[in-house]
Amino acid sequence: QAGLTQPPSVSKGLRQTATLTCTGNSNNVGDQGAAWLQQHQGHPPKLLSYRNNRPSGISERFSASRSGNTASLTITGLQPEDEADYYCSAWDTSLSAQVFGTGTRVTVL
Amino acid sequence: QVQLQESGPGLVKPSQTLSLTCTVSGGSISSTYYYWNWIRQPAGKGLEWIGRIYPSGTTNYNPSLKSRVTISLEKSKNQFSLKLTSVTAADTAVYYCARDLVRGVIGYWGQGTLVTVSS
Repeated sequence: QAGLTQPPSVSKGLRQTATLTCTGNSNNVGDQGAAWLQQHQGHPPKLLSYRNNRPSGISERFSASRSGNTASLTITGLQPEDEADYYCSAWDTSLSAQVFGTGTRVTVL
Repeated sequence: QVQLQESGPGLVKPSQTLSLTCTVSGGSISSTYYYWNWIRQPAGKGLEWIGRIYPSGTTNYNPSLKSRVTISLEKSKNQFSLKLTSVTAADTAVYYCARDLVRGVIGYWGQGTLVTVSS
C-alpha cells in the first residue's frame, strides 16, 4: 500500500517553530487533504487537525495547511510536551484505503 | 464522547487466526455516517491501516492484507471485530480500533492491545 512521505525527524529549540511536511498525490492529500496525528510513546495517536479544523481542546499552536499534494503542520512556540511522533493521514480515493504517513519524530532541544 | 476498547488474546501461534474485538461505549455502532476502523503498529514502526466497516456492513480493506482480513459488526453487543488469518511474526503489533470523527478522518482511538505472534 502506497503511503505518504514525511521527513523522519525534525529538531528545534524551545519556543521555536517547527514545520512538518507530508507528501502524497492527487488521489489522497491533493484530493481530500490530510489529517495530522500526534503520538507520544506508549499512547494511542491523537487527532490534531483535519480539513482546516482543530478538534476541541487542541492548542492553537498547531496549524495545518496544504499546497497541492503536500500538507504541512506548523507547531509554534515549541514546548517540551510537543516531543512526539507526528503522522499525517488521508483517504486515498484510488486505493479506497486510508493511508498514513511514514511519521516524523519531533525533538525539542 | 465515544470510547473504544480492544480485547482478545495477546499471543497467537504462527499460521493461526488472530481475533480481536472492539467494544464501543458512549455511542451506538449502528449510527450512520461513521466508519469503524482497525489499525496496527509494530513496535518502533509507523501506523498501518487494516480496514474499516460501515454500519450497513460495507467494508474496505488494505489491499496488502485483504486476502487475510475480515471485519464484522456485532450490533447487539455494540462491538466490531477483526479476524486476520495465517499470521506470521510480521503480524506482531499493537492493534488499535478507531472511529471516524468525520467521514474519512479517524478521530477516536482505543488504547490499543499488543498481539504477539510466536510459537
